[in-house]
Amino acid sequence: EAGVAQSPRYKIIEKRQSVAFWCNPISGHATLYWYQQILGQGPKLLIQFQNNGVVDDSQLPKDRFSAERLKGVDSTLKIQPAKLEDSAVYLCASSLPGGLAGVETQYFGPGTRLLVL
Amino acid sequence: GIQVEQSPPDLILQEGANSTLRCNFSDSVNNLQWFHQNPWGQLINLFYIPSGTKQNGRLSATTVATERYSLLYISSSQTTDSGVYFCAVVCPAGGTSYGKLTFGQGTILTVHP
Repeated sequence: EAGVAQSPRYKIIEKRQSVAFWCNPISGHATLYWYQQILGQGPKLLIQFQNNGVVDDSQLPKDRFSAERLKGVDSTLKIQPAKLEDSAVYLCASSLPGGLAGVETQYFGPGTRLLVL
Repeated sequence: GIQVEQSPPDLILQEGANSTLRCNFSDSVNNLQWFHQNPWGQLINLFYIPSGTKQNGRLSATTVATERYSLLYISSSQTTDSGVYFCAVVCPAGGTSYGKLTFGQGTILTVHP
C-alpha cells in the first residue's frame, strides 16, 4: 500500500515570496492533516480536513497561510508572503475517519523542508 | 490544552543496551501513538496504544491511562534505532485540545556501535 506522498521535499525561498506544498494521502483516507514542525519541537497541527471540508483550522495563521482540498483527495498548503519564522518541516498526514474525532491512527508523509532566507 | 511531557530529553546508548522512554500527559486521552522520526525526518508509526500493552519485535509499549503515562521499551538497541521518539495524544470531547494529535517534545536517542 502506498504511503502519504508529499512534494517538493525541499524548498528554499526568500522572505516575502510565496510557496506551495502538495500532499496526496493514502487511498481511502478521508481525513487529512497538515502539521508544522519547527526544529527541535514536535509537530503542531495547522489544519484538518474531513473529505473536502475543514474540521479544524484554529492554529492556522490565516493572514498568510491557506489550504485547500477541493476534490476530497489531494491537498495544497500555501504560504504568502513567507516570513523567516516559517522555516520548518511541513508534514502531511492522513487517517480513516473515526467515529470519534482523532481516534484513528495517523500516517505521515516524508515532509517538505522549507528554508526562508 | 493538554500537556505532554517526555523524558529523558536525550539518551545515548551503546549498541545492545536496553532503554525506557516515558510519556506523561495531563488529561485523559482516547488516542496515544508512539512515533520514531528517523534522521531524514520521516515519522514512522510504532504503536497505537491508548491503553494496555503491545509488543512488536524489540519494541514494546505500555499505557496506564488511569495514571496518565505511557512507556516505550527498546531492547537490544541497534544503530538504526537512532532518531527522535515522539509520544502524541488526542483528548476526548471538550477543551481546546479535542480531536487534535498533540505531540510531546520528543526524546533524542543516539545508539553508538
